[in-house]
Amino acid sequence: KQEVTQIPAALSVPEGENLVLNCSFTDSAIYNLQWFRQDPGKGLTSLLLIQSSQREQTSGRLNASLDKSSGRSTLYIAASQPGDSATYLCAVGYSGNTPLVFGKGTRLSVIA
Amino acid sequence: DAGVIQSPRHEVTEMGQEVTLRCKPISGHNSLFWYRQTMMRGLELLIYFNNNVPIDDSGMPEDRFSAKMPNASFSTLKIQPSEPRDSAVYFCASSLGEGDTQYFGPGTRLTVL
Repeated sequence: KQEVTQIPAALSVPEGENLVLNCSFTDSAIYNLQWFRQDPGKGLTSLLLIQSSQREQTSGRLNASLDKSSGRSTLYIAASQPGDSATYLCAVGYSGNTPLVFGKGTRLSVIA
Repeated sequence: DAGVIQSPRHEVTEMGQEVTLRCKPISGHNSLFWYRQTMMRGLELLIYFNNNVPIDDSGMPEDRFSAKMPNASFSTLKIQPSEPRDSAVYFCASSLGEGDTQYFGPGTRLTVL
């Protein structure tokens, strides 16, 4: 069974700090990997999608990297802001148009 | 586009009652996914459809759960009879094609008393 693990489960940082969220997966034969953001009581918003052939993707202050061989992905958030406070979920796809396997998320709090 | 639409947003019902959750995927998307989120288990797939055909329902907990997709623009998830352990947030997601981003609806928060 594919497993996706996110560490830490919760993180609190002061505003302005750069931070890294970690995601690991047991089966390296992935098709793609997505990072999502979830605000309390809300749905999921896709942040970045990395295909298996890619090493990283960037969007604004966010950068996601993928190392298939080691079964790891990181989400880097630069110059964090209180508005970044949310739960960040990593999800792995194992073939074309198939369901995602989710980690349990990292709950981020950015303190002003 | 309005995004993935789910209804109702909140549902409170009593044990034993039938519950029907609804989803309208993004127009043109050919895959639809139903997920369930709980504190204990996180997000888990229940069932998904490609081109309106159910592909994998191995995540459906029991025979009490059923899902249909009668056309490309509508899907339902039904629980009959409902039980307190079914209380969770149910998400619907859709995607355009292979390897594409999945777009999630706002979810339906179900409480079974």
